[in-house]
Amino acid sequence: EAGVTQSPRYAVLQEGQAVSFWCDPISGHDTLYWYQQPRDQGPQLLVYFRDEAVIDNSQLPSDRFSAVRPKGTNSTLKIQSAKQGDTATYLCASSPFGGVTGQLYFGEGSKLTVL
Amino acid sequence: AQSVTQPDARVTVSEGASLQLRCKYSSSVTPYLFWYVQYPRQGLQLLLKYYSGDPVVQGVNGFEAEFSKSNSSFHLRKASVHWSDSAVYFCSNNYAQGLTFGLGTRVSVFP
Repeated sequence: EAGVTQSPRYAVLQEGQAVSFWCDPISGHDTLYWYQQPRDQGPQLLVYFRDEAVIDNSQLPSDRFSAVRPKGTNSTLKIQSAKQGDTATYLCASSPFGGVTGQLYFGEGSKLTVL
Repeated sequence: AQSVTQPDARVTVSEGASLQLRCKYSSSVTPYLFWYVQYPRQGLQLLLKYYSGDPVVQGVNGFEAEFSKSNSSFHLRKASVHWSDSAVYFCSNNYAQGLTFGLGTRVSVFP
């Protein structure tokens, strides 16, 4: 079974530039999560979806961040006008059964550096 | 707010020695509890999970964890570590909003 796939693996930007991260969850998993992991810290939930619906986006840092999952499968996380404080690894995870088991399956992450 | 605390940022152990990583959770109800491991340049992988029942749960690669309601703890143990166990270990709990993670404990195993 294929795991969670993320791209790109690495991105380096100047402040003010935009970037999009893409995630392909495990087939059949209805719940998809985006986490931000700053260096030497634990992952922090940004947003999660059940199918195409946003369940909770209250932790998205600002209106510079947006996430969509239009068909309930793949998802895109976009950062507009990036800042140095956005430097982190962005992890995508998926889960079956609405996430009720609590077990998440993570991708390898997309590491963002903002200069 | 629900949270988990990992008081040890770094642990260094000799290969073959035992390992214990501490985790405390705060909750008015017993949460689902997890330990995840993150190897360099990789995503997080599940080691073990606790939902209810037997407070000692077995995981992969010889890891086990013990849940204590009285101490609000979920400590991870391994009897004999290998150099390949060098990684960052995260304790987490699950509520309606997905997993909440601790800051992690970086484990370094030296020969």
